[in-house]
Amino acid sequence: GAGVSQSPSNKVTEKGKDVELRCDPISGHTALYWYRQSLGQGLEFLIYFQGNSAPDKSGLPSDRFSAERTGGSVSTLTIQRTQQEDSAVYLCASSSSGLRSYEQYFGPGTRLTVT
Amino acid sequence: QKEVEQDPGPLSVPEGAIVSLNCTYSNSAFQYFMWYRQYSRKGPELLMYTYSSGNKEDGRFTAQVDKSSKYISLFIRDSQPSDSATYLCALNSGAGSYQLTFGKGTKLSVIP
Repeated sequence: GAGVSQSPSNKVTEKGKDVELRCDPISGHTALYWYRQSLGQGLEFLIYFQGNSAPDKSGLPSDRFSAERTGGSVSTLTIQRTQQEDSAVYLCASSSSGLRSYEQYFGPGTRLTVT
Repeated sequence: QKEVEQDPGPLSVPEGAIVSLNCTYSNSAFQYFMWYRQYSRKGPELLMYTYSSGNKEDGRFTAQVDKSSKYISLFIRDSQPSDSATYLCALNSGAGSYQLTFGKGTKLSVIP
């Protein structure tokens, strides 16, 4: 079946502009995660959605970052007033439920470059 | 001390060799141990997960967990050039915990 998809695959933006990154999880997966992967760094957790519950935003690095998930499926990560330190690969993952968080499936990522 | 330590490599081996990749961790609450493979400019791909201590085999891959030593390993037998990638360990404490704690990854090159 179809895996996790993300768009765009690459995004180049100027410092100060806003960007939106999209994630389509695996059909039927109720849990959705966003991570950031910077050069030389591990994967950094950003935010977690489970069904209709309030998301866990504890990993968001600043209030310039926000995310929403509509209809329990597609999710959008928004970065406002982008900074050069936001340049990274943003990865989305999903799992069948929060109880199976050990079995997360990742999308290909969006490579964000802030110039 | 970091929660998960993983040697970044790079590790270079000849085709056909047995590869051993390892992580150590400090938090004894971890119950699930995962290995991901990440090709260049791609997302991580779940290879296998293990619950608690013991071994798990899947084809040429064997995952091993020693909770007493807080040490996990991934063995690749008969390594192939297509195995060249970065391998990430990830740990989860289960019991409804949804966060994965990742190692920084080991870059492996299998030379034909």
